[in-house]
Amino acid sequence: EPEVTQTPSHQVTQMGQEVILRCVPISNHLYFYWYRQILGQKVEFLVSFYNNEISEKSEIFDDQFSVERPDGSNFTLKIRSTKLEDSAMYFCASSWLATAYEQYFGPGTRLTVT
Amino acid sequence: SQKIEQNSEALNIQEGKTATLTCNYTNYSPAYLQWYRQDPGRGPVFLLLIRENEKEKRKERLKVTFDTTLKQSLFHITASQPADSATYLCALEGNTGKLIFGQGTTLQVKP
Repeated sequence: EPEVTQTPSHQVTQMGQEVILRCVPISNHLYFYWYRQILGQKVEFLVSFYNNEISEKSEIFDDQFSVERPDGSNFTLKIRSTKLEDSAMYFCASSWLATAYEQYFGPGTRLTVT
Repeated sequence: SQKIEQNSEALNIQEGKTATLTCNYTNYSPAYLQWYRQDPGRGPVFLLLIRENEKEKRKERLKVTFDTTLKQSLFHITASQPADSATYLCALEGNTGKLIFGQGTTLQVKP
């Protein structure tokens, strides 16, 4: 069964450093998403991406965040200058359709900012 | 803004019984509502999707209802098994496909 993959599984970084989280969505999917989950809290939407453009972003997704699909397979989330409060599990998801369709989530990257 | 409430207390039931989880929402009229399962340290896994014009949806031992008047969805697992122990997430679907999740309800099925 096809699956979404994410690397690394765990990233430790110092405050102020840049991090890039990588995702390989399911190959024929067209819609891509990033979510995050702070420990013990709910899964929160960050950004949706379609046709090489951001479709929607949340208030969390400020100027420190960016997304890119540099080639036909990878989908990345960059945090330019990490803060302690960015520590969370980051999930990538992909879907064939924008609505009325399941989203396939990756296993997540645990980001720890020290 | 949209608000989704799921029972934050863990639900403990005996194997073989039916588990019923509740999802209530306000300030939104979603066209679709989805349920996901999340195991500790893992990503959510899709279970069921129900449309606003559907009252009920079934898949094997799972059943979801959607009452747009009450703004409530119920999720049932019949003949529950210890392997069903997990956190179950309700999610409203936005126009661009973004999912707005509830905080989840943890189900513990005891043998």
